[in-house]
This record gives sequence, structure tokens and C-alpha cells, in this order.
Amino acid sequence: DGGITQSPKYLFRKEGQNVTLSCEQNLNHDAMYWYRQDPGQGLRLIYYSQIVNDFQKGDIAEGYSVSREKKESFPLTVTSAQKNPTAFYLCASRTGQGRRETQYFGPGTRLLVL
Amino acid sequence: AQSVTQLDSQVPVFEEAPVELRCNYSSSVSVYLFWYVQYPNQGLQLLLKYLSGSTLVESINGFEAEFNKSQTSFHLRKPSVHISDTAEYFCAVRKAYSGAGSYQLTFGKGTKLSVIP
Repeated sequence: DGGITQSPKYLFRKEGQNVTLSCEQNLNHDAMYWYRQDPGQGLRLIYYSQIVNDFQKGDIAEGYSVSREKKESFPLTVTSAQKNPTAFYLCASRTGQGRRETQYFGPGTRLLVL
Repeated sequence: AQSVTQLDSQVPVFEEAPVELRCNYSSSVSVYLFWYVQYPNQGLQLLLKYLSGSTLVESINGFEAEFNKSQTSFHLRKPSVHISDTAEYFCAVRKAYSGAGSYQLTFGKGTKLSVIP
């Protein structure tokens, strides 16, 4: 089955620690996205990548970093500079072009600070 | 830039009753509109979308939404809800395709639908 996989489902971070969230897709989609979801805040875009080896900052990129070395993978690192990292993180990939563009989402990773 | 307002953060409704989840948007250009559903501790699933054409769009599980350009609204409705419809619903907007590049989704803050037995 094709889909988007995020791991781990739950992740704990200690103060001053960097952690990396995994996102893998086998849908052959070019574009991938990372969103942060906080209660009552909806989804906010962190980073996105339209193609391998290229990515752009979203609305709340500070304290986060990404890489896109392979089409299938778009890992997100939450750095120690992110002072309030507790949130639900969603990865998405996009199919189609122009009018037919549609984003599909992974199951999410919940990050908690110890 | 586009923005989305979901007017109700929580909507409780009895099973088999009708429901309407409200969504208004703001944009200076033409837009596409989407509704996503999120079940507890899961990712978002696309429920339905409006791109052009008929202003009434339907999903496979009985939801429908109507695009109203004059009122800049895209309200989601279902005539009879089930317990399994309990979830959070997100309205989203994207700038309509104009032949150049790709545009990002802007999400509302979500509406939690609770269906009461």
C-alpha cells in the first residue's frame, strides 16, 4: 500500500537536545511539507520542499531544520533553539499539478518535552 | 494572502441530527477550498474540495459543502450525523492556479464535532 509514514508516534525531548522526526512516502510525490499543530491553532507550515535538494521556509521555520536528499524522505529536526517544541507534527506530500494539486497527510508525531 | 475563519471551535450535536460547520475565507484572488477531517491522534484526511464548476460538492460519506462567493463561505453540512463522525474538521484555502508555481494551503483553526448518542 502507498502512503506516508511518520516515526516515531511519540517522541520525548530533553532540554537542549536536538531531535529528528522521520517522514517517508512511497507515493512518488515530488513535494513534501511539515506542519505543526497546536490545540486551537490549526496547522502552521514549518518547511516545504518542491523537489529533491531544495526546500523553503514556511511561516514558523525558526528553531527547525530539514533536508531533502531523497525523494522519499523529508526529515525534520527540532533544534534546541525551538523553545516551545511540544506539539503534534504532521508531514504531508502533494500529488497533481495546478488545479489538481492535493495534499495527503501522514499519521503525525507527538513531541513532548521532559 | 489568504485567511480562513472557522466560526465555531466546538459543535456538539445529537446522533441523527443535522449539522453545519461554518467556514469563511478572505482572499483578494480566486481560491480553491478544502475540508479535511482529523480523527483523534491521526493525520488529516481530505473530505472534499471545491476547485470550480458546481458550487455544491459532496463527499462519499454524506457530507456536502457549498461555495458561496458573495458571502466568501464554504460551510460543511451533513443531514444526519453518526457517532463515527466525531472528529475535528479543518477548512483550508489555496490560491487558485494561475499557471505559475505552486501555492500553499492556509488552514482554519478547526472545529471539533462531538456527536452525542
